[in-house]
Amino acid sequence: QQPVQSPQAVILREGEDAVINCSSSKALYSVHWYRQKHGEAPVFLMILLKGGEQKGHDKISASFNEKKQQSSLYLTASQLSYSGTYFCGTETPVAGGTSYGKLTFGQGTILTVHP
Amino acid sequence: DTEVTQTPKHLVMGMTNKKSLKCEQHMGHRAMYWYKQKAKKPPELMFVYSYEKLSINESVPSRFSPECPNSSLLNLHLHALQPEDSALYLCASSRRISGEALETQYFGPGTRLLVL
Repeated sequence: QQPVQSPQAVILREGEDAVINCSSSKALYSVHWYRQKHGEAPVFLMILLKGGEQKGHDKISASFNEKKQQSSLYLTASQLSYSGTYFCGTETPVAGGTSYGKLTFGQGTILTVHP
Repeated sequence: DTEVTQTPKHLVMGMTNKKSLKCEQHMGHRAMYWYKQKAKKPPELMFVYSYEKLSINESVPSRFSPECPNSSLLNLHLHALQPEDSALYLCASSRRISGEALETQYFGPGTRLLVL
């Protein structure tokens, strides 16, 4: 089942902050965050595993609340290069144990950063 | 090196043609994936190969036929496609698939397919 991302679109000025949320109706094994620029492949940002950890590098960080089945991506002091579509991908345990490998992406959040 | 390469970059084919998409990685990854992405939509999983064996087929029509000849190479054979199959086809790879959480998937640049 597809996770739900919010908001659908964000417009920022350089230096402003943004939060993108990803919510699932199913228990999650892990959450993967990607950024995709127009006409390019998705680029990996980070993975969060169940356990409620928070990760980050540079000015992009993320949290994962296993109990609420939610993850949030935090972008601070945004730069022009942050523009693109952000996707969360969620992995849910699959019955039978033989179908691991399925990542289901949310519908995406379009982030636009203006000078 | 975290590079996944895909050829061709662009492909135009008629509905009666047979063509193939190629994906290659030299990272020693043992899991490889095919995704389909329509404009302004997220990637949708089509197939997953784990240790050169097909482990997931997301009910993809038989006009798409995947093949994994070795651990570095993944092909997608196309035959009798429909115009609605026009999309960006993305290949990805990850270190492995186990009973634990998925590892990072690295995407190739994609093949933009147009079916006339």
